[in-house]
Formats: sequence, C-alpha cells, structure tokens
Amino acid sequence: DTGVSQDPRHKITKRGQNVTFRCDPISEHNRLYWYRQTLGQGPEFLTYFQNEAQLEKSRLLSDRFSAERPKGSFSTLEIQRTEQGDSAMYLCASSLGVTGGEGTDTQYFGPGTRLTVL
Amino acid sequence: GENVEQHPSTLSVQEGDSAVIKCTYSDSASNYFPWYKQELGKRPQLIIDIRSNVGEKKDQRIAVTLNKTAKHFSLHITETQPEDSAVYFCAALPTGGGNKLTFGTGTQLKVEL
Repeated sequence: DTGVSQDPRHKITKRGQNVTFRCDPISEHNRLYWYRQTLGQGPEFLTYFQNEAQLEKSRLLSDRFSAERPKGSFSTLEIQRTEQGDSAMYLCASSLGVTGGEGTDTQYFGPGTRLTVL
Repeated sequence: GENVEQHPSTLSVQEGDSAVIKCTYSDSASNYFPWYKQELGKRPQLIIDIRSNVGEKKDQRIAVTLNKTAKHFSLHITETQPEDSAVYFCAALPTGGGNKLTFGTGTQLKVEL
C-alpha cells in the first residue's frame, strides 16, 4: 500500500496518560497535515508541515499537543496528560506541495488513529 | 476564518435516482473546493474537486458546480448505486490559507434498493 499510513489504528488510554501517534505520508509528498474528527463532524485542521517546518497551528492545538516531522518524512503527534475531550479520530493527510508557495494540491488522507480516553 | 455549511445532513434516495448535496462558504478568497467520501470506519477519499477558475466539473456519474458570486458549490451524483452510500464532506481552501482545508459537517447519503 503506497498511501498514507498511520499507527496505531486504535488507542485506548486512561485520562492523564501521554500518547503518541505516527503518520507516514505518501513518498515524496512535501506537505503533511494533522486533522481531528469527532463523531458526526468533518475533520478539523490541527497543524501543517512543509518538509520539516511546522508552518501553521490551529488554536485547537493546546499546549498539551505537540507535533514533529524530523527530516521531513514521517510525523508524530503527541498528546500529554490526555483528557476525555481528546477522544476523537486523528487523521493525517499529505500532499505533493507546490514549489514556490501555497497551492491547491490534493490532500490524501490516512486511515486515522481512533483515540479513546477513559 | 473560513466557515463552510453543508446541507442536508442526511439524504435518502432510491437506487437510480439523483442526489444533490449543497455547501456554502464564507471567505470570498477561497479558490479550491474538494469533495470527500467517507465510508464507515474508513479514510476520507477524494472523489472530485473544483478550482475557482471553472464553474463545473464532471467525472462519470459525479459532477460539481461552483457559483463564486453566491459562494456556494454543489455535488451531484446521478444514477445512484448502493455503494454510493457513505458520508460526503465538502471543503474549502482560501488563498493564503496555508493549505488548511475547512470542512462541512457532512451528509449521510443512503441509497435504498
């Protein structure tokens, strides 16, 4: 499968624990995005990387959330001191990127990591 | 920021009928409008998209229309089939928006036999 992959697919944790998710984008895609999706809603933007640089963060991304993309390849999203309100599907997407600036290139989504905080 | 509204939230049609889902957006700077299909427990998959320099785009049974003046765009599915049953999301991306898609709340489409 050459699409976007995410690991784990499911995570159950207790409130207060830290969790980390991984996303592997489509090979050679420069841009990587994290979204959060709750039941009955569309995905909500969290953050976006161009290569290794994190260019934008949503106000939804509290200081308990941190994302990295070392070497501009895979990315990790860590949630510290999880709360029940963090329960959601965390989706990763990637796009090829347009040289020289922002573009309208297609975003391809991974299968998501479903987080349940007890 | 951008705000996208989507209607209806649920849509039930008979197999072979057409289905139409409508979205409105608030930011006149938006210039890219993709539609995603999401089956239960699966990833959102792009089915069609349109850029602001065209008014209509068609791909087999699926078409999207864009009215920039009114700031709305619609998804049209003709000759619906049971496998079209899924949740459909529209989205908008404004120029200068950092490639941040803003999604609608989704439409649950059910195609009945």
